[in-house]
Amino acid sequence: AQKITQTQPGMFVQEKEAVTLDCTYDTSDPSYGLFWYKQPSSGEMIFLIYQGSYDQQNATEGRYSLNFQKARKSANLVISASQLGDSAMYFCAMRETDTGTASKLTFGTGTRLQVTL
Amino acid sequence: DAGVIQSPRHEVTEMGQEVTLRCKPISGHNSLFWYRQTMMRGLELLIYFNNNVPIDDSGMPEDRFSAKMPNASFSTLKIQPSEPRDSAVYFCASSLPGLGDSPLHFGNGTRLTVT
Repeated sequence: AQKITQTQPGMFVQEKEAVTLDCTYDTSDPSYGLFWYKQPSSGEMIFLIYQGSYDQQNATEGRYSLNFQKARKSANLVISASQLGDSAMYFCAMRETDTGTASKLTFGTGTRLQVTL
Repeated sequence: DAGVIQSPRHEVTEMGQEVTLRCKPISGHNSLFWYRQTMMRGLELLIYFNNNVPIDDSGMPEDRFSAKMPNASFSTLKIQPSEPRDSAVYFCASSLPGLGDSPLHFGNGTRLTVT
């Protein structure tokens, strides 16, 4: 079973509009972290935002916010006031605690966002 | 602060040759990860280390792949012999000590082409 599912291969949004990128996850671990990364065409992986499974409030970082719905196991990324520079591939990822040691990050397949004028 | 440093940025080699990819994690980070990215398979974890010790190498495709972390500031991923299907972008990433709340910080990747 897929641990991280991103159902939108591609999305378009007009400049200055808000856009939501979907992510659902699957885990039986009570403690985990959810992350979003941006990969522009230049190829680097840029960390955007983090949400812990025990966090009561949704995470926000500037124009990025995470709509965390634990019961539905979803962690959607909301980008407000889109800019042309937001055009990139976006990856949702989850880090479980495993056996108590440092654990790996599992990625979804990504959503390619294109911001238009 | 310097980020994760990977070398080389690009590598072109012929099938059968040995390839060594290098990584210097962020100072103070005790976890190091090697990922591979292809169009077909996306981002795959190959292996990760905690305190220089390999924790999970189940993602290493075959015996042709090996990884080492001789100290806290250096890791290598070696492919011997290389094959065209190994062509991909290889990322190294590191993170602070932590169980689930530490983001991974990625290097810029090594684009490997095997002809």
